[in-house]
Amino acid sequence: DGGITQSPKYLFRKEGQNVTLSCEQNLNHDAMYWYRQDPGQGLRLIYYSQIVNDFQKGDIAEGYSVSREKKESFPLTVTSAQKNPTAFYLCASGTDSNYGYTFGSGTRLTVV
Amino acid sequence: ELKVEQNPLFLSMQEGKNYTIYCNYSTTSDRLYWYRQDPGKSLESLFVLLSNGAVKQEGRLMASLDTKARLSTLHITAAVHDLSATYFCAVDYNTDKLIFGTGTRLQVFP
Repeated sequence: DGGITQSPKYLFRKEGQNVTLSCEQNLNHDAMYWYRQDPGQGLRLIYYSQIVNDFQKGDIAEGYSVSREKKESFPLTVTSAQKNPTAFYLCASGTDSNYGYTFGSGTRLTVV
Repeated sequence: ELKVEQNPLFLSMQEGKNYTIYCNYSTTSDRLYWYRQDPGKSLESLFVLLSNGAVKQEGRLMASLDTKARLSTLHITAAVHDLSATYFCAVDYNTDKLIFGTGTRLQVFP
């Protein structure tokens, strides 16, 4: 079955530590996206990529980094520069806006 | 920059009643999406609206798009408890990213 997989489901980060969230899709989608959701809030765009080896900052990119070395993969690194990383992170992919976007199941990141 | 606003933010309604959620956006776009999110879960696609005047229905939910007014509505008919969730609209911006509304948390009670 085609889909988009995020891992891990839960992640704990210590102060000053970098962590990487995985997002893999086998839908052959060109575009991939990372969103952050805080409790009771909407989704805010962190980074997005329309094509391999290219990506753009979203509205809240500070403290995050991404790479897009393969079409299937779009990992997100939460760096120590992100002072308030506790949130629910959602990855999405899409190939044509006529069909909308598919979301992964999310990663819940907590600072300990 | 595109801004997307939903209202109401919270909706508590009795089973069997009808209600409408509104989604307004600030910049021209002719593609709008509705998603459902259950607590602690990811987003489930409900509707993709691609042109002015588009109307789509699935069960007790009906969505419409008026691109001239920059307005989409999600109408709930004869609500049931299973519809309790948070509903998001999202607008396609420059055909390369989605900007989400704040969400409407719906609670349906007996």
